[in-house]
Amino acid sequence: DTEVTQTPKHLVMGMTNKKSLKCEQHMGHRAMYWYKQKAKKPPELMFVYSYEKLSINESVPSRFSPECPNSSLLNLHLHALQPEDSALYLCASSQVSGQLNTEAFFGQGTRLTVV
Amino acid sequence: GQNIDQPTEMTATEGAIVQINCTYQTSGFNGLFWYQQHAGEAPTFLSYNVLDGLEEKGRFSSFLSRSKGYSYLLLKELQMKDSASYLCAPHGGSWGKLQFGAGTQVVVTP
Repeated sequence: DTEVTQTPKHLVMGMTNKKSLKCEQHMGHRAMYWYKQKAKKPPELMFVYSYEKLSINESVPSRFSPECPNSSLLNLHLHALQPEDSALYLCASSQVSGQLNTEAFFGQGTRLTVV
Repeated sequence: GQNIDQPTEMTATEGAIVQINCTYQTSGFNGLFWYQQHAGEAPTFLSYNVLDGLEEKGRFSSFLSRSKGYSYLLLKELQMKDSASYLCAPHGGSWGKLQFGAGTQVVVTP
């Protein structure tokens, strides 16, 4: 199984809503990532979890709250988002290693629209 | 921090060869990824270079020079389906911070 599964595929939410994005992998990867991608732009790193601990937060606003309940799951909790937060949210996972081939696998993303 | 430079767009005809260059500066370096991304889809892995030199994988090859902070992706025998954005991603930091260049949009024409 070399898949990263993200749900939902599409999400429309109001600015007062609370929603969560989910990401799951069963490759035994201990590094998991959240990226945000706007149209015609590269993915921008948001958060990195290593061994279920938050290791990198790229100055992301607190209305985005990540959670890693176990080594296979990564959530992104959303609250009080703005229309400019509308984007494709990508989850990725990889081995944690400085030297080995640490290919990062990406999920298909959640297309989020904030209205 | 990281600076990653790659051309914005390249156009080539079917059957031709295209070389996408990437220069980077990172605070640490473990290796460099190349990803392909079609519009509206997730990035898909093409290659990962850790050591200097050329790695060939079918029609795609990737080259790395760590001392020069330089990599290129070579696409041979171009096909229409190769029209996509190609993302250079140095893998830096103490163990694994993956950030992407702006991407090079390759347009393959008949």
